[in-house]
Parts: sequence; C-alpha cells; structure tokens
Amino acid sequence: DTAVSQTPKYLVTQMGNDKSIKCEQNLGHDTMYWYKQDSKKFLKIMFSYNNKELIINETVPNRFSPKSPDKAHLNLHINSLELGDSAVYFCASSQDRTSISYNSPLHFGNGTRLTVT
Amino acid sequence: AQKITQTQPGMFVQEKEAVTLDCTYDTSDPSYGLFWYKQPSSGEMIFLIYQGSYDQQNATEGRYSLNFQKARKSANLVISASQLGDSAMYFCAMRQNYGGSQGNLIFGKGTKLSVKP
Repeated sequence: DTAVSQTPKYLVTQMGNDKSIKCEQNLGHDTMYWYKQDSKKFLKIMFSYNNKELIINETVPNRFSPKSPDKAHLNLHINSLELGDSAVYFCASSQDRTSISYNSPLHFGNGTRLTVT
Repeated sequence: AQKITQTQPGMFVQEKEAVTLDCTYDTSDPSYGLFWYKQPSSGEMIFLIYQGSYDQQNATEGRYSLNFQKARKSANLVISASQLGDSAMYFCAMRQNYGGSQGNLIFGKGTKLSVKP
C-alpha cells in the first residue's frame, strides 16, 4: 500500500540515451512534484503539477519533460542524458485541494538514483 | 526571497540524550508552513513534523518537537532521548502561499546527525 511509488529505483545508462522515470500516488492528492537531489544532498524543485496542469517549471533544461496523464501519475522523461544529470530524483505529492496549501506536507517516493556514464 | 538556512552540517549526540537541530528561515509571506524531514542512509524522505505560521503552540510529534520562535524566524527541531535509528540527514523546509514559489517546498542544506552508542 505504498503511498508514492516511483520506478525504477536505480537507473544506469550512457550519455546520449533517453530514459523515463515513472511516479504514481494513491493518496488522492492534487499536486505532484519532481525534485532533484544532487551529490551534496541538496534538494531542488524541478516541476510541479496541480490537477494535471503545470504550475512550476524551474530552470530545468528542456531535455527534461514531465508528463501527467492523470492526477495520480507524473512521469519524467529525460532526453539526451548528460553526465551532470546523475542524481537522485524524487517524486512527491501533496493534498492541496482548491489551491496550494502551505500547510500540507509533501509525501515523497523512495527516489530514483540515476547514474549516467 | 524565500530561504532556509541550516548552519550545522553535522552533529553528534550521545544515545538517550536530547539534541537540537537549528533552522532559520526568511520570507515576507505572512502565511507559511515549516516542515522537518528525515533522510536515513536508505534514502527515503520521511516527514516528521509541521508548524504553521499562525500556530500559537509549538508542534510536537512523539519524541520530536519544534521550537518555533516567529520573531527570530527560527524553527529548531528538538529530538528527545536520541536513538541509534535517529542517525540520518535532517532537512528543514518551508512552503508559502504567494510569490514565485507558488507553494513549492524549499529545503535547507540539511544537517547530518550521528547518534553515538
């Protein structure tokens, strides 16, 4: 009964390849996110979607494209992978009914460790 | 601009003792939420405790309490009776209603806590 699940857990690939990370939440939440955690453990927002609509798109290369087929899913597709893309990518969700709720915690998936060689 | 500062990169505490992890924040939004997350070596992000900007009392959750000093813009996490399983990275984070972040959760750089037996 995992709340936020993302697959795969580990992803090792070569430069130039295209890869996807899938995320699903069964909490009934309205907002979903992608965060990147770098080698120094710093967590930074990449994207957020509220009811399938893109809300935040931080300064992320356009090689990264999120796709939200429905409220429960937010996938991340990465084109032309580069060495610097190596990181842990976290999917998360929050309740946020009719508007963004500053008092709702984000619930995180277990992360996908991406290694680009 | 919204900002979270954690000044302690690493902390040591003896088992069964209490420890305080520091967090200061900066925001011009009167409505915001403060959160603490734990990241053990296994990598998942675990939500620990929440404090709202309008809450009059400090939040508590089991052995975790949040020392909220609004005028000083600090939200320190206190862990009582430390256990070996408390060894982990701890992140302070904030959500606010307005501004460019639009409800995004902004993280500090984290504090690595090590509990000594």
